[in-house]
Amino acid sequence: TQLLEQSPQFLSIQEGENLTVYCNSSSVFSSLQWYRQEPGEGPVLLVTVVTGGEVKKLKRLTFQFGDARKDSSLHITAAQPGDTGLYLCAGAAWGAQKLVFGQGTRLTINP
Amino acid sequence: GAGVSQTPSNKVTEKGKYVELRCDPISGHTALYWYRQSLGQGPEFLIYFQGTGAADDSGLPNDRFFAVRPEGSVSTLKIQRTERGDSAVYLCASSPPGTRNTGELFFGEGSRLTVL
Repeated sequence: TQLLEQSPQFLSIQEGENLTVYCNSSSVFSSLQWYRQEPGEGPVLLVTVVTGGEVKKLKRLTFQFGDARKDSSLHITAAQPGDTGLYLCAGAAWGAQKLVFGQGTRLTINP
Repeated sequence: GAGVSQTPSNKVTEKGKYVELRCDPISGHTALYWYRQSLGQGPEFLIYFQGTGAADDSGLPNDRFFAVRPEGSVSTLKIQRTERGDSAVYLCASSPPGTRNTGELFFGEGSRLTVL
């Protein structure tokens, strides 16, 4: 069974601070995705990374896929209250269609 | 609507009862997934359909759970003899054809099931 471990599970910081969320596994993934979920809604895709070492930027968010394709990180610069939510990483094994999700990081940005 | 639609949004039932949860995917999406999300956890894979057939049902916890997609569009997740431990949000997602491994999943808002 492939597992994705996210850390930290909870993070509460002040507006304007920077933060990094980690997603780790002992398994290799063909691709890895990051989703954001708000209360009462389904997860919404932020980014997909497919190449080891790949870095993608989405405004103040920077995503990196580990060289060995086993881990990923999400870095937010100058966090804003609108960034508050549950951040989920999800990986796809080679040849598999299903995504395996981490347990999520609940992020709270305080004004 | 343009998104994935799930009904009911909330379902409260008594232990031992039978429930059905419905998912209407985005038009043209051939792949359909069911996930279960417990409070404070990430979504847990249940079953995946490609067209009408269940391509992977390895996540169904036991034989009380069953899902169908008879015409390759709408899907129904069926839970027999519900137990309190079945209480969770059941999420449905779909994805367009030609997006193996890297495709985006489009999620519905979920059906919150509470078993008393």
